[in-house]
Amino acid sequence: DIVMTQSPDSLAVSLGERATINCKSSQSVLHFSNNRNYLAWYQQKLGQPPRLLIYWASTRESGVPDRFSGSGSGTDFTLTISSLQAEDVAVYYCQQYYDMYTFGQGTKLEIK
Amino acid sequence: QVHLVQSGAEVKKPGTSVKLSCKASGYIFSTYVMHWVRQAPGQRPEWMGGINAANDEAKYSQRFRGRVSITTDTSANTAYMELSSLTSEDTAVYYCARDHYGDYWYFDFWGRGTLVTVSS
Repeated sequence: DIVMTQSPDSLAVSLGERATINCKSSQSVLHFSNNRNYLAWYQQKLGQPPRLLIYWASTRESGVPDRFSGSGSGTDFTLTISSLQAEDVAVYYCQQYYDMYTFGQGTKLEIK
Repeated sequence: QVHLVQSGAEVKKPGTSVKLSCKASGYIFSTYVMHWVRQAPGQRPEWMGGINAANDEAKYSQRFRGRVSITTDTSANTAYMELSSLTSEDTAVYYCARDHYGDYWYFDFWGRGTLVTVSS
């Protein structure tokens, strides 16, 4: 199985500041046939199901605010929230879909 | 708009089975893959398996193979997940989630989840 490891486990950021979450896969999730990274990011608020934010590592899902962005390739990826809003408090998960599916352990984002 | 409505909470005894349902609306059910994902309290989501509603071909996580069965009833736009030989470690919220395309890619819509509690 591909192991997904996120850092940090928790993060406290001031409103309006940048939040950065990292995700590392145990093997590359870049598919050379189409040059796509099989990596998605989800946001999960308390008591709710996960919500898709980013797919193909950097494509924002429809309706997701443009303060959310994804980057990276191969084994190292980043989710960035450019200006933290109160409603962004949640747990964030990365997920690989290159070989079946595995999720990172999650990063809990709070307001400082 | 896409909606996935899941069946209600279940309490089960160890050693028994549970069958959950997920009724879809707002899209052509038979053209997408439906997944089942579970999440134990305080844990990361865990993929259990998926089914291509176009041809009823299912894929399962190795961790659950032999214990899980995912099926569909396309006439009712409903997917089902049955998990057998339950133990307390199967206590979790179980989600159905639609694949973004008719392939095994990312999950764009999720049900609200069904809490399954396994306790003697």
